[in-house]
Amino acid sequence: QSALTQPASVSGSPGQSITISCTGTSSDVGSYNLVSWYQQHPGKAPKLMIYEGSKRPSGVSNRFSGFKSGNTASLTISGLQAEDEADYYCCSYAGSSSWVFGGGTKLTVL
Amino acid sequence: EVQLVESGGGLVQPGGSLRLSCAASGFTFSSYAMHWVRQAPGKGLEYVSAISSNGGSTYYANSVKGRFTISRDNSKNTLYLQMGSLRAEDMAVYYCASLFYGYWGQGTLVTVSS
Repeated sequence: QSALTQPASVSGSPGQSITISCTGTSSDVGSYNLVSWYQQHPGKAPKLMIYEGSKRPSGVSNRFSGFKSGNTASLTISGLQAEDEADYYCCSYAGSSSWVFGGGTKLTVL
Repeated sequence: EVQLVESGGGLVQPGGSLRLSCAASGFTFSSYAMHWVRQAPGKGLEYVSAISSNGGSTYYANSVKGRFTISRDNSKNTLYLQMGSLRAEDMAVYYCASLFYGYWGQGTLVTVSS
């Protein structure tokens, strides 16, 4: 199972919006509404930010939003804040009990 | 509050074995498929293994197939990963997780070195 494709890095200034893409295939992202996004700060466990493509868990800021179209999912963070600087990973169910992660995107808040 | 607490990590020589445990609480463990995900130092997340809620079905990434065994004891709310024939490339933080619901533990570090 090949990893989902994410940009290695993105950056933005405080207050701006950024979008991270996650491209898979018709066997994973395109087939299931089970794309999730995780935020990971250095030395910490991943934290769920978006599940089922566009749903936010309780307690996650509404500045985070998710979207999926075809084989590509995206995470948008609006009103960037310094605390948003972290690594972000997408994850998709790929059938037959398998899941696949993206390679991760490092977000820098300038 | 959902909690997943991994244990059992440590230093092991190449070719050695180690068993990781993950104690779950705060949710109906026996109703959830569970997963192991690892992260090598400075690298991204890698899906390792999965087990169905009743333990009857398992999945392994090609990188660990034949060397790792996932199991669970629903009476103890505990997930396990038996790792054998360990290699340098298995060195990572191992996370226990329920990927359908986004629950993750804090991870346990496995170091493979002579």
